Amino acid sequence: DTEVTQTPKHLVMGMTNKKSLKCEQHMGHRAMYWYKQKAKKPPELMFVYSYEKLSINESVPSRFSPECPNSSLLNLHLHALQPEDSALYLCASSHYPGTGLYEQYFGPGTRLTVT
Amino acid sequence: AQRVTQPEKLLSVFKGAPVELKCNYSYSGSPELFWYVQYSRQRLQLLLRHISRESIKGFTADLNKGETSFHLKKPFAQEEDSAMYYCALKGLRAGGGADGLTFGKGTHLIIQP
Repeated sequence: DTEVTQTPKHLVMGMTNKKSLKCEQHMGHRAMYWYKQKAKKPPELMFVYSYEKLSINESVPSRFSPECPNSSLLNLHLHALQPEDSALYLCASSHYPGTGLYEQYFGPGTRLTVT
Repeated sequence: AQRVTQPEKLLSVFKGAPVELKCNYSYSGSPELFWYVQYSRQRLQLLLRHISRESIKGFTADLNKGETSFHLKKPFAQEEDSAMYYCALKGLRAGGGADGLTFGKGTHLIIQP
């Protein structure tokens, strides 16, 4: 299995809702990432997990809460989002540097709309 | 601070013509550079990594540290090459540990028949 999967594909939520995005990989990667991509813009890094521990947080607002329950799963919990948070949320994974050929594999993304 | 610049937002060439997508970077240290491609309605996928010096789908890219460039080239463009191309740089925070990619703004390549 050489794919990163993400669910759901689309999500519409109100500003008072709580929802979660899910990402899964079975490539044995020990680094996982969340990116945000606005329309016609490149992906922007949000969080990095290394060996299931949060290693980088790019000053993301606390209404986004990441979680890595095990080496194959990455979640992004959403609460009290704003309409400007509407975007495509991408998950990626890679070998931890020095443990394998380094490249990031991307999932198809979750298209989030905040109303 | 690291930065990746792709000066062309849109590049249109005819089938069979040579293609060059420009990428310049700003980075203090030895960079790890990549080209990613996103075909219509598909996920972002790796095209090339600079350390491999490989040719994928006829594309090559050479790292020029003197000019801080990593341009993507193909001698004869094909219609199926039409896509969005991103140049990306791996960061080196976390003491050499995992870090995200810094992407350029992307170049939309259109191959005309």
